[in-house]
Amino acid sequence: GAGVSQSPRYKVAKRGQDVALRCDPISGHVSLFWYQQALGQGPEFLTYFQNEAQLDKSGLPSDRFFAERPEGSVSTLKIQRTQQEDSAVYLCASSLFSGMRTEAFFGQGTRLTVV
Amino acid sequence: QQQVKQSPQSLIVQKGGISIINCAYENTAFDYFPWYQQFPGKGPALLIAIRPDVSEKKEGRFTISFNKSAKQFSLHIMDSQPGDSATYFCAAGVVNSGGGADGLTFGKGTHLIIQP
Repeated sequence: GAGVSQSPRYKVAKRGQDVALRCDPISGHVSLFWYQQALGQGPEFLTYFQNEAQLDKSGLPSDRFFAERPEGSVSTLKIQRTQQEDSAVYLCASSLFSGMRTEAFFGQGTRLTVV
Repeated sequence: QQQVKQSPQSLIVQKGGISIINCAYENTAFDYFPWYQQFPGKGPALLIAIRPDVSEKKEGRFTISFNKSAKQFSLHIMDSQPGDSATYFCAAGVVNSGGGADGLTFGKGTHLIIQP
């Protein structure tokens, strides 16, 4: 596809369950970002990959959150032992890492509800 | 500590009017300032962005004004249309030495309604 694709679109998890959220970035995009967007709030940065290297994970809220991008394309955000406060939309974005091109393209997000 | 403050939280403008949304930042290292538009159920989409070397950038009906000394920037939507009704986010980031952008810091958003 032409855009950033995320799956699933919606996920309901019982508290304590582990979840995995997938992001397919735009083909050829080197940079990949994960953001968390709480209801009625702006996105908050979680982590950033350049190819397979995780260059910044300062936004991950706890050690229950883990992200990977093993082959430099598809990325997975994993949340272990989900808590109610993890309920949010998780957005993935990718950007072309070339010269001054800095535009980040966002996917539609995965809405996670922890019950 | 909120590094990007956005106002107003909500805004109602008559069709054909000018919509103005303001943002202020604290981190002087920021050198990339995009505005995103988000419709319900969709991810944010880039509208327009500016770098600190210019004070204004215009693309169609959208204009960013940037005041580096005041650490403020604003979005102006001219001739506002009902289709512009959405949530708008300002953001700020740092362009790294390789030319890409680090993670963005977003404002809390402005819910804009354009009345017909």
